[in-house]
Amino acid sequence: KNEVEQSPQNLTAQEGEFITINCSYSVGISALHWLQQHPGGGIVSLFMLSSGKKKHGRLIATINIQEKHSSLHITASHPRDSAVYICAVRPETSGSRLTFGEGTQLTVNP
Amino acid sequence: SAVISQKPSRDICQRGTSLTIQCQVDSQVTMMFWYRQQPGQSLTLIATANQGSEATYESGFVIDKFPISRPNLTFSTLTVSNMSPEDSSIYLCSAQGDATTGELFFGEGSRLTVL
Repeated sequence: KNEVEQSPQNLTAQEGEFITINCSYSVGISALHWLQQHPGGGIVSLFMLSSGKKKHGRLIATINIQEKHSSLHITASHPRDSAVYICAVRPETSGSRLTFGEGTQLTVNP
Repeated sequence: SAVISQKPSRDICQRGTSLTIQCQVDSQVTMMFWYRQQPGQSLTLIATANQGSEATYESGFVIDKFPISRPNLTFSTLTVSNMSPEDSSIYLCSAQGDATTGELFFGEGSRLTVL
């Protein structure tokens, strides 16, 4: 079992739909990151969370430390949101190393 | 925030040759990392690039195959040596900013194809 599990692996939505991607992890962490990877390969850091909730534009990320679970929400989805979304955690015992989820491939159709 | 310039963005190489990937950050950063992402998979950490000293390699990665330099706080290189088709991957440079914030930055990646 991976230390970081994401669901779903693949997600197809229609433009305008509300999207949720989930991330569960099994170790104590100091931080959790949500990353966005576009088809060219480049990665953008969307959020870093250690507690609570953060919002940036149409993106919302939440984390529940007790339940070891985080969600990434996209409101009013758009085709340009199509990308791979990756959850990565920084285990408490790993220093600066990250453990990555397998990613969720999101496709938003017009 | 920091912006990372990584080059080349892609290359096609012959078996047995070596390729050096460069990573330039527009501000000083504490930590720099090199990752490999094989097709359809998530990121795997190759090594942490330490300024002024030898890189710290993860299990399964060795300095002879992936020599890394980090001469200052804004620049690092990764060389993929004696390449084989199994080395075909995306290689990504990453940096962590201030130790307090832990914010992450990534380069655009170098897509390497070995024939």
